[in-house]
Amino acid sequence: SAVISQKPSRDICQRGTSLTIQCQVDSQVTMMFWYRQQPGQSLTLIATANQGSEATYESGFVIDKFPISRPNLTFSTLTVSNMSPEDSSIYLCSGSGTVELNTEAFFGQGTRLTVV
Amino acid sequence: RKEVEQDPGPFNVPEGATVAFNCTYSNSASQSFFWYRQDCRKEPKLLMSVYSSGNEDGRFTAQLNRASQYISLLIRDSKLSDSATYLCVVRRGSTLGRLYFGRGTQLTVWP
Repeated sequence: SAVISQKPSRDICQRGTSLTIQCQVDSQVTMMFWYRQQPGQSLTLIATANQGSEATYESGFVIDKFPISRPNLTFSTLTVSNMSPEDSSIYLCSGSGTVELNTEAFFGQGTRLTVV
Repeated sequence: RKEVEQDPGPFNVPEGATVAFNCTYSNSASQSFFWYRQDCRKEPKLLMSVYSSGNEDGRFTAQLNRASQYISLLIRDSKLSDSATYLCVVRRGSTLGRLYFGRGTQLTVWP
């Protein structure tokens, strides 16, 4: 099955700084998504990462705060910009649409972010 | 109203017990349905898809009622290793479209 390698797995950052999270898939995927998960809460979709074009953001999330890149079908990054303690959360990337897994959605291992 | 609503849990059951989780979805245009499992501090992983006719995978049985917009997961003969959070997940429209997640139901199986 396809595997997403997500880095870093965790980080502690100072407020006002930015962190870039990377996801590398071991095969081409049609769709990639970025989610946020607060402790004890459901996954909230931040945006759909579109290959070669601007990401599609969900309500409440903006490109200036969460710039996303997807230069090809196996790689995407999410940047959390100008961080504040409210950005402390788990960030997860997801892929779907591979030849082997068809439509199943699978996830990276997550990035546990703490902003101090 | 949330897109996907789940039993809040937590469920604490002894080994060998049968436990059932319920889930409702609000959008009748939803096309695909799944149960994901999420272990503590880990990413969600697909447990099983849910088909209109209902489907079974070993000790796990999933049911879908489109008229009531209701999904269920039954776990028989619970094992300690079943302890996890179970996420009800719905996809609307496109087969590769975005997923909507329930909040999850926490299950603890004790010896």
